[in-house]
Order: sequence, then structure tokens, then C-alpha cells
Amino acid sequence: QVQLVQSGAEVKKPGSSVKVSCKASGGTFSSYAISWVRQAPGQGLEWMGGIIPIFGTANYAQKFQGRVTITTDESTSTAYMELSSLRSEDTAVYYCAIWFGELLEYNWFDPWGQGTLVTVSS
Amino acid sequence: QSALTQPASVSGSPGQSITISCTGTSSDVGSYNLVSWYQQHPGKAPKLMIYEVSKRPSGVSNRFSGSKSGNTASLTISGLQAEDEADYYCCSYAGSSTYVVFGGGTKLTVL
Repeated sequence: QVQLVQSGAEVKKPGSSVKVSCKASGGTFSSYAISWVRQAPGQGLEWMGGIIPIFGTANYAQKFQGRVTITTDESTSTAYMELSSLRSEDTAVYYCAIWFGELLEYNWFDPWGQGTLVTVSS
Repeated sequence: QSALTQPASVSGSPGQSITISCTGTSSDVGSYNLVSWYQQHPGKAPKLMIYEVSKRPSGVSNRFSGSKSGNTASLTISGLQAEDEADYYCCSYAGSSTYVVFGGGTKLTVL
């Protein structure tokens, strides 16, 4: 059973960037699609984007296009999510998750990482 | 505003059954049998409870069931237990450009 362990909490200044890592263990990392989902304080879940091995490139939610970059490093079984031009509204818990689907219709997430709190404050 | 609409809260007594609705459109819920449900306890990561409308992952209690009719999906929890008190989120595939959309979440209170 694959497990995902994320990097620790971050405090960032507005306008800066943050890079969150997600290390997988217990499975064949190269075969997994991975997504990132965020949750602002007291709010719901919001899909940011994901990377599907067969495509080799990431797909992003329109809201985050141009500001988010999702990558993977197969040598370390680690996925990364970098968000730039941070603003206070980006304060949230960021989750990675293994992304599943059939016929390339990736749609459900299991398991999830423990989450990484990113606080954007001057 | 979330893409999928869920009631903000539902409640039930131990042993009862409750149903949480998740309403989308013909571009997401209505077009694909690809709805999933997640349970989230305070301060914890979401946990998959149902995928592909009605399938249960290994280890999830059979008290949890899912269904769909038209543009609305539903999660039913039978025999409510105190440990079921949590937030529940629905999620639907929405095509190869949007990929997935989430509901706003429903807080379940076990009275």
C-alpha cells in the first residue's frame, strides 16, 4: 500500500514562491498519477492540478495556470508542487494524492498525504 | 463558489440513516459515472469512501453507499455512528480539460 509523506509547514511573504514535496513509499512511483488539492482555512477542497505518467506533462486547473508547476522525480519517488506569486489567499493546507481513473479519465484520489500548511503573510 | 452543490450540514441520531446530495450539471455528474466521496475529520486528510458512484474501497464499511440519478449523486450512511461525524466532500470527473470538480462539503453531525 503506497504512503505519501509531505514536507513541513512553510511561512512565505507575499510575492514569493513555495515548493512542497510529497514522497511516496510502498509502491511503483513511476506508474502513479499524482494530484495536488488545497484547502483554505474553513473552506472546501480545490483541485490544483496533476501529473499523469502516460502524458509525461502536468495538467492544471484554469485558476492556477501560469502560477503552479507540478513535477516528479522518479529517482526519489517524490512529487513537487511549486506555487509562485503568493498572496494571502493562498494560505491553505496543500495535499498530494494518488490519482486514479480508467481510460485516462482520472477522477478519484487515494491515498492522500498528511497535508502541508502554507501561510502567506507579510 | 464550488462547482458541485452540497448541503452545508446534515444531522442524524445514532442508528439512523442519512443521505447527502451532490448536484452538478450535464458537464460533470450527469455525463460520467465518475463521482467519488471523501470523509474528512478535523485536522486530518480526506479519506476516500466511495468511487465511481457506488464502489467501496477495501476497508470502508458497507454502511456507506453511493448512487446517482441525472445530475445528482448521493452518499447514504446507514446505522449512523458517532465516528461518522465529519465533513463529506463529493467530487466528479468533468472532462479532459477540467478533469475534476469538488463540492463545497457537508458537515455531518451525529446527535
